[in-house]
Amino acid sequence: AQSVTQPDIHITVSEGASLELRCNYSYGATPYLFWYVQSPGQGLQLLLKYFSGDTLVQGIKGFEAEFKRSQSSFNLRKPSVHWSDAAEYFCAVGAGDYKLSFGAGTTVTVRA
Amino acid sequence: GAVVSQHPSRVICKSGTSVKIECRSLDFQATTMFWYRQFPKQSLMLMATSNEGSKATYEQGVEKDKFLINHASLTLSTLTVTSAHPEDSSFYICSARRRGHNSPLHFGNGTRLTVT
Repeated sequence: AQSVTQPDIHITVSEGASLELRCNYSYGATPYLFWYVQSPGQGLQLLLKYFSGDTLVQGIKGFEAEFKRSQSSFNLRKPSVHWSDAAEYFCAVGAGDYKLSFGAGTTVTVRA
Repeated sequence: GAVVSQHPSRVICKSGTSVKIECRSLDFQATTMFWYRQFPKQSLMLMATSNEGSKATYEQGVEKDKFLINHASLTLSTLTVTSAHPEDSSFYICSARRRGHNSPLHFGNGTRLTVT
């Protein structure tokens, strides 16, 4: 069975500081991995995805993530956070059928 | 880019009534649509997978007679919560993708259902 763990429920970061959100997954084969962002009362927007190839993936809004098979991790990073990055972030794992399993989410608060 | 429209965004209904939520792909043909439920401060739980022209596939623990899903066309899927109860109050989100290897998933903006 596939599953995703996001160890950090809530992270507070200063504007301009770097951000890293952790994601660990459990999956029997080579996973499809995703990071989504959700603003309050809204749907999900895809930040980036990994299917194969280069393990460092670049996404939108200056985000990147690195797939580490040995650690079963797919951590999300951003070098310099903007106030507009305050949101809920979800890591997800799945396969080509896109039946995704989502982590519990990490709430990011940005302080001025 | 591809857009998925979900309607209504908010709905309040009385216990015992039924509510229909629509999910439309506005500029692409969605061969597969997914319906999720999200409780406050929690993750998305997949309820069912809907393929155009066939019956929906429900996840374990989801009552198919309570959550009726219809995917009658390549641009529309509906979720009907029948005989709603307060415990059905939740945020429901749909997503859609077109046929094709690695074609992306697009999410609607969700529907906040409150059953009084």
